[in-house]
Amino acid sequence: DQQVKQNSPSLSVQEGRISILNCDYTNSMFDYFLWYKKYPAEGPTFLISISSIKDKNEDGRFTVFLNKSAKHLSLHIVPSQPGDSAVYFCAASGGRWDGSNYKLTFGKGTLLTVNP
Amino acid sequence: EAGVAQSPRYKIIEKRQSVAFWCNPISGHATLYWYQQILGQGPKLLIQFQNNGVVDDSQLPKDRFSAERLKGVDSTLKIQPAKLEDSAVYLCASSRTTGSYGYTFGSGTRLTVV
Repeated sequence: DQQVKQNSPSLSVQEGRISILNCDYTNSMFDYFLWYKKYPAEGPTFLISISSIKDKNEDGRFTVFLNKSAKHLSLHIVPSQPGDSAVYFCAASGGRWDGSNYKLTFGKGTLLTVNP
Repeated sequence: EAGVAQSPRYKIIEKRQSVAFWCNPISGHATLYWYQQILGQGPKLLIQFQNNGVVDDSQLPKDRFSAERLKGVDSTLKIQPAKLEDSAVYLCASSRTTGSYGYTFGSGTRLTVV
């Protein structure tokens, strides 16, 4: 049972354009969502997050949008740069605040390629 | 701040052999996680430690996998005996105790079981 879904295995965009990566989730207990970026042979690195009490969070070129009713979130990168080429993982967490809720459930990832 | 250290980076073993991975988290990080990432999949949590206690090991195949964090600092993950389906990248991550969703991952150990 895949609770976090990234249905696009790959995405290719031109440098300077917008990249939109999508993520859907099924578990209504999730209340915190994150995006991680992963380069080959490296561990995932935290990119941006959003709490379920918000519908948008922005950090420089990166914006995450959350639509709770649709159980959908998206990551927008504007403008896209060749250095943004990587695998992007959507992750979600939720539950009781007893230390066990920091477990992250990851999607399968989307490979973003930004062409010069 | 030094990152999460993992060793070895790569390991190739035959099925039914045993293997161990080591992780040293960021200094002061009380929470440590081991994740398994199979090719084409997202990372999956195997075990979570808070200091030297286990918080969640519900997805750890306990018949063959074991992990310990004896002094609340570094940790080892062991597989014995290994199966072909254990081929994956094993990622260690750490975070401060409170409000730390954006925890830091190590570079991982790539295990190939042949």
